[in-house]
Amino acid sequence: KNEVEQSPQNLTAQEGEFITINCSYSVGISALHWLQQHPGGGIVSLFMLSSGKKKHGRLIATINIQEKHSSLHITASHPRDSAVYICAVTNTGNQFYFGTGTSLTVIP
Amino acid sequence: NAGVTQTPKFQVLKTGQSMTLQCAQDMNHEYMSWYRQDPGMGLRLIHYSVGAGITDQGEVPNGYNVSRSTTEDFPLRLLSAAPSQTSVYFCASSRDAYNEQFFGPGTRLTVL
Repeated sequence: KNEVEQSPQNLTAQEGEFITINCSYSVGISALHWLQQHPGGGIVSLFMLSSGKKKHGRLIATINIQEKHSSLHITASHPRDSAVYICAVTNTGNQFYFGTGTSLTVIP
Repeated sequence: NAGVTQTPKFQVLKTGQSMTLQCAQDMNHEYMSWYRQDPGMGLRLIHYSVGAGITDQGEVPNGYNVSRSTTEDFPLRLLSAAPSQTSVYFCASSRDAYNEQFFGPGTRLTVL
């Protein structure tokens, strides 16, 4: 049983396309995180959300607490956006649960 | 600031050997955590700490020990390595569990 489910698992897009990655969770949460894992393996945090919407450059993250769902959008995708995107949640007991990630490839 | 540092980057062990993976942060973060990443399974929480002297188990704690004697350091000890512990291990820190996580570069461990 996975507390966090992501879709799609793999995604290939043409440069310039609008991309959406979805995340659903089944536990009560205090926060939801979107992470990016580069091809070299390093992991960086993109967003931390507890409600509403956040925007950073071409990236937008939204969360719907009632539906237990979050989306990560990338506008005007670029080959440098190619990475694995990971959704994670912090439950009410300080523990993290992670999705298995969405592997994104953006083709020039 | 060095951020979160992990040593070693790579390690090969034989079954039954013990070792310690080191993790340190220089951001005065209270929350530190250890994860393992296996193909097809995503990251899984091994142990975490909400401050010096306080540790707790995560999702997959068996076979691992931790301690937190200082704010900066959070070592992970493998007591008797098993092939099932072959994985990539990440340490992370943050102000608390609800804030941005900063990850170390990872340690690739192989147990033969």
